[in-house]
Amino acid sequence: ELKVEQNPLFLSMQEGKNYTIYCNYSTTSDRLYWYRQDPGKSLESLFVLLSNGAVKQEGRLMASLDTKARLSTLHITAAVHDLSATYFCAVDITGGGADGLTFGKGTHLIIQP
Amino acid sequence: DSGVTQTPKHLITATGQRVTLRCSPRSGDLSVYWYQQSLDQGLQFLIQYYNGEERAKGNILERFSAQQFPDLHSELNLSSLELGDSALYFCASSVAGMQADTQYFGPGTRLTVL
Repeated sequence: ELKVEQNPLFLSMQEGKNYTIYCNYSTTSDRLYWYRQDPGKSLESLFVLLSNGAVKQEGRLMASLDTKARLSTLHITAAVHDLSATYFCAVDITGGGADGLTFGKGTHLIIQP
Repeated sequence: DSGVTQTPKHLITATGQRVTLRCSPRSGDLSVYWYQQSLDQGLQFLIQYYNGEERAKGNILERFSAQQFPDLHSELNLSSLELGDSALYFCASSVAGMQADTQYFGPGTRLTVL
């Protein structure tokens, strides 16, 4: 059974600081997804990482994938309040075809002024 | 706005009842996924349809069923409802249902079972 673990699950940080969210998964996969969810809202796609060593950046967020270590990171640079949200990583359930995603429990991020 | 629509937004019902949740995918998307989000279970994949055919099953209970119609909209039917079925139900869609596709999520239907 595929397991996806995120840490930390809760993070409170100050504006202007840098931090990293980690996502570990238990089986081989070279496709990793990051989503953002605001309270009471839907999930917004942030990044799709499709191969080992993939790195993508959007604004103050940068995501990377190491398939050998089964690890993805989401790095936040010079955090601002608007980035407060819950961040989920997700992996395809199987490698054989199109299936649903297995999500981590999410990292609840609060950025304080 | 992802382009995926879901109705209703909120649904309150009683135990033992049956409800139907509806989802319209983004224009051009052939694949529809259903997910359940609850505090204790987190986000769980339920089922996927591709162009009218069931493609993959996740942790979907036998009391739950779904279908995708020729116009590509999908319905999730939940029957013999229990208190524990209270959750946010999301529909997502993707272009071709392939692994590299981004899944775009709808606004969700919040189901409350009393």
